[in-house]
Amino acid sequence: EVQLVESGGGLVKPGGSLRLSCAASGFTFSNYSMNWVRQAPGKGLEWVSSITSRSYIYYADSVKGRFTISRDNAKNSLYLQMSSLRAEDTAVYYCARDIIAVAGTSLDYWGQGTLVTVSS
Amino acid sequence: QSALTQPPSASGSPGQSVTISCTGTSSDVGGYNYVSWYQQHPGKAPKLMIYEVSKRPSGVPDRFSGSKSGNTASLTVSGLQAEDEADYYCSSYAGSSVVFGGGTKLTVL
Repeated sequence: EVQLVESGGGLVKPGGSLRLSCAASGFTFSNYSMNWVRQAPGKGLEWVSSITSRSYIYYADSVKGRFTISRDNAKNSLYLQMSSLRAEDTAVYYCARDIIAVAGTSLDYWGQGTLVTVSS
Repeated sequence: QSALTQPPSASGSPGQSVTISCTGTSSDVGGYNYVSWYQQHPGKAPKLMIYEVSKRPSGVPDRFSGSKSGNTASLTVSGLQAEDEADYYCSSYAGSSVVFGGGTKLTVL
C-alpha cells in the first residue's frame, strides 16, 4: 500500500525557517517524481515545488529563492526546507506522488498534510 | 503563474450530469495535454480523478470524464451521486511549473 506521511509542521515566526519531511512507503520511491502542494486555510490548492526521479527541480515563483526541495532515495524521503517564511506561507503542506513523468501534472497519491503556521 | 479560472460553484440533482470548466491560456491548458482534475472532500487530501486531459486512474468511476478545447478544459460528472459533492480543482502543466484553478464547489441538490 502506498503511503506518504508528512511531518515537521508547526508554528514559526515571520522570517523563520522550517523543514518538512515526507516518508514514503509501498512503492519504489526513486522511480517517481515527487511534489509539495499547499492549501491555505479555506483556500484552494497551490503547487509549490517538484523534484523528478532524476532530481530536476522546479519551484513556484512565490517560493523561489526561499524554499528548497530535496529527496533522499536511500531513506525514501522527500524534504522541503523553508526559510524567510511569511504569513502568506501559512497552509497545510501536502506531499504528493506523480503518476507520470511530467512533474506535478498527475498527483495520484497524497499524504494527510502538515500544517505550517507563520505568525508572531 | 496565474491561476486557472473555474466557476466557484456548480450543482445538479442526483442522476443528472454537470460540467465544470477550467479556463487558462495557450501557455498552460492550451499548450499542453497535461490537465488534471482533483476531488477534495472537507478535511481530506485531494484525490486524482482525471489526468492527461481525459485519462482516469484505476478505481475512478467512468461517470467522471475530461476533455479540452483550446484553452478550456472540462470535467463532466454523469449520473450525479450524493458522494460526488465536493470541491473540484483543475491543474495544468505550464512549462516548468504547474498551475491550479481556484476550485469549484459541486453541490448535489
